[in-house]
Amino acid sequence: DQQVKQNSPSLSVQEGRISILNCDYTNSMFDYFLWYKKYPAEGPTFLISISSIKDKNEDGRFTVFLNKSAKHLSLHIVPSQPGDSAVYFCAAGRGQEYGNKLVFGAGTILRVKS
Amino acid sequence: DADVTQTPRNRITKTGKRIMLECSQTKGHDRMYWYRQDPGLGLRLIYYSFDVKDINKGEISDGYSVSRQAQAKFSLSLESAIPNQTALYFCATSDSVGSLLETQYFGPGTRLLVL
Repeated sequence: DQQVKQNSPSLSVQEGRISILNCDYTNSMFDYFLWYKKYPAEGPTFLISISSIKDKNEDGRFTVFLNKSAKHLSLHIVPSQPGDSAVYFCAAGRGQEYGNKLVFGAGTILRVKS
Repeated sequence: DADVTQTPRNRITKTGKRIMLECSQTKGHDRMYWYRQDPGLGLRLIYYSFDVKDINKGEISDGYSVSRQAQAKFSLSLESAIPNQTALYFCATSDSVGSLLETQYFGPGTRLLVL
C-alpha cells in the first residue's frame, strides 16, 4: 500500500517554462512534506518542505503547494532550467515522536530541454 | 569533504555471501537511517537508529541487520545475500534537535549487485 504516490514517472519541459510535479498521499496524519532532488550517482538532496498547517511555501524558483482536502501537493519550478533535470522525490513525514520517518514516492524524472 | 559517506560505492557479490555496507557522517547528527531504492518504488526504509545502540526496524527489514556502535557510524549487513537485494542503498542522517520540518541528509549511495 503506497502511502505516497507520484503518478507521473517522467515529465519533459522546455527551458524557461513551468514544471509542475505532482504527489498524492493517503495518510491524513502526515505532519509535513518534502521534495528531494536526485542527480545520477548522487544521493537525494533536500529541496523544499511544507508543514501541514500551510498551503504554500516558496523558495526562489521553487514553490510547493499543499491541498490537504485533496491530499495532494505539487512542486512548481519557474522558470525551468536544464540543470533542473533530475529525479524528484516527494516525501511525507510525521513528528519527531514518530522518529521523523519519511515515506517516499517513486519519483518523477524531469527533463528540461534547452 | 562530504558530510555523509558510504563505502563501498559499488559492490558485486554472490548469492549466500555476507556483506557489510558502511556509513559515516561528520554532521554530528544523532539519527541515522538506511534505505534502499528500487526502480518504480522510490526509497524504502530498512532500519533506523536514534542514538548509539538504538535500533529500529523499518518497512523492509527482513534479510538485513544493522549496527550502531558509534554516533558517527551506522553499518548495514546482508547476512546471506540474495538476488532480490540487488538495489541502490542510501544512508541518511537527521538531527533530533531541530524544527518540525526535519530534513534528512543522504549519502551518495552504494550500488549492490547480487548474482
